Amino acid sequence: NAGVTQTPKFRVLKTGQSMTLLCAQDMNHEYMYWYRQDPGMGLRLIHYSVGEGTTAKGEVPDGYNVSRLKKQNFLLGLESAAPSQTSVYFCASSERGWDNQPQHFGDGTRLSIL
Amino acid sequence: AQSVTQPDIHITVSEGASLELRCNYSYGATPYLFWYVQSPGQGLQLLLKYFSGDTLVQGIKGFEAEFKRSQSSFNLRKPSVHWSDAAEYFCAVSNAGGTSYGKLTFGQGTILTVHP
Repeated sequence: NAGVTQTPKFRVLKTGQSMTLLCAQDMNHEYMYWYRQDPGMGLRLIHYSVGEGTTAKGEVPDGYNVSRLKKQNFLLGLESAAPSQTSVYFCASSERGWDNQPQHFGDGTRLSIL
Repeated sequence: AQSVTQPDIHITVSEGASLELRCNYSYGATPYLFWYVQSPGQGLQLLLKYFSGDTLVQGIKGFEAEFKRSQSSFNLRKPSVHWSDAAEYFCAVSNAGGTSYGKLTFGQGTILTVHP
């Protein structure tokens, strides 16, 4: 009963490096989301997906790309990391349907860009 | 655009005391409202949600929240706080529309410290 699993849990990058964060869910959820959490700003939506093969921009999409090739996985990519992308990244998923379905969150990925 | 404000960045209470965390939202139509809790180093856990009907909703861990449309508020309450309630609490709103796909707008969060 894993729920939402994020990999890796911690990572330190140098400016300009690239990396991919992986989110996997085992609840057969249609919707998946990537958020970033910064002190005093709550969580802000980066990108989301409403089904396999689909992605859409959220509130703060610049500098990130995403892919949803398989229903259970949602990947977040940083092509050229910048210090402003130092943050805690959370993935979430929810069932398809009315918008009252609660989101289930992973434990986060702590990313530092030097 | 919808927004959520949590006026209190940090609240400190004594164990056994009552608690109220404030949340105000800005949205033109009827929102879906949520409260989440985040323990250090963990993800967010849903405490309770409001969609429609009874404006007083009960959640897990003894929490409740009251939706007041006239005040655009959705405050979280607990009659007696336990030390294990120390965490950060987030209020969130979702667009009650078919094209929003459940996207959440979060408040800034309120950190709760509990003194023994």
